[in-house]
Amino acid sequence: KAGVTQTPRYLIKTRGQQVTLSCSPISGHRSVSWYQQTPGQGLQFLFEYFSETQRNKGNFPGRFSGRQFSNSRSEMNVSTLELGDSALYLCASSLGDSSQQPQHFGDGTRLSIL
Amino acid sequence: QKEVEQNSGPLSVPEGAIASLNCTYSDRGSQSFFWYRQYSGKSPELIMFIYSNGDKEDGRFTAQLNKASQYVSLLIRDSQPSDSATYLCAVRVYGQNFVFGPGTRLSVLP
Repeated sequence: KAGVTQTPRYLIKTRGQQVTLSCSPISGHRSVSWYQQTPGQGLQFLFEYFSETQRNKGNFPGRFSGRQFSNSRSEMNVSTLELGDSALYLCASSLGDSSQQPQHFGDGTRLSIL
Repeated sequence: QKEVEQNSGPLSVPEGAIASLNCTYSDRGSQSFFWYRQYSGKSPELIMFIYSNGDKEDGRFTAQLNKASQYVSLLIRDSQPSDSATYLCAVRVYGQNFVFGPGTRLSVLP
């Protein structure tokens, strides 16, 4: 069974640009969560989508947005990029129908802002 | 605000010893508890999860849960240098997002 696939693996952008990251969950998984990971802040929760609806949202500015498609694939968009947005962005999927289901992570997208 | 706390380490143990990693959480409604391992430059990898009070064993790993004390731990028996990584504790309440701790860095010395 294929794992969680994130594309692209690496991105370099400049301040003020916008970026879209993609995540394909494990087949059959309906929940997709996004996290930002930086050395100083650890894993910070961005948002979770379940059956195309945002179910939970973290404490990030509105520049960070996401969506989920009917096939459970998800995209995350960051507009007006800032230097502080440089981080590893991780996507994780789970079956989503119970709190007992674990999340499985993709390899991440490493975003660098120049 | 829901919090998950872990000792950041580094926790150093000699090869072959038992490594004990601890995690406390603030939300008494937490229902599920997960341990992830993250090697430097890699994404977190699920090790095991536990829902009920007591111990759960999987190979060299044992998770221990005490809901009354709001405490979950991970024991690694016969530690190997390849176990050197950061270990993340995560908790969840049904319908809410996973909450991760800051991680404990484990170093197993040959």
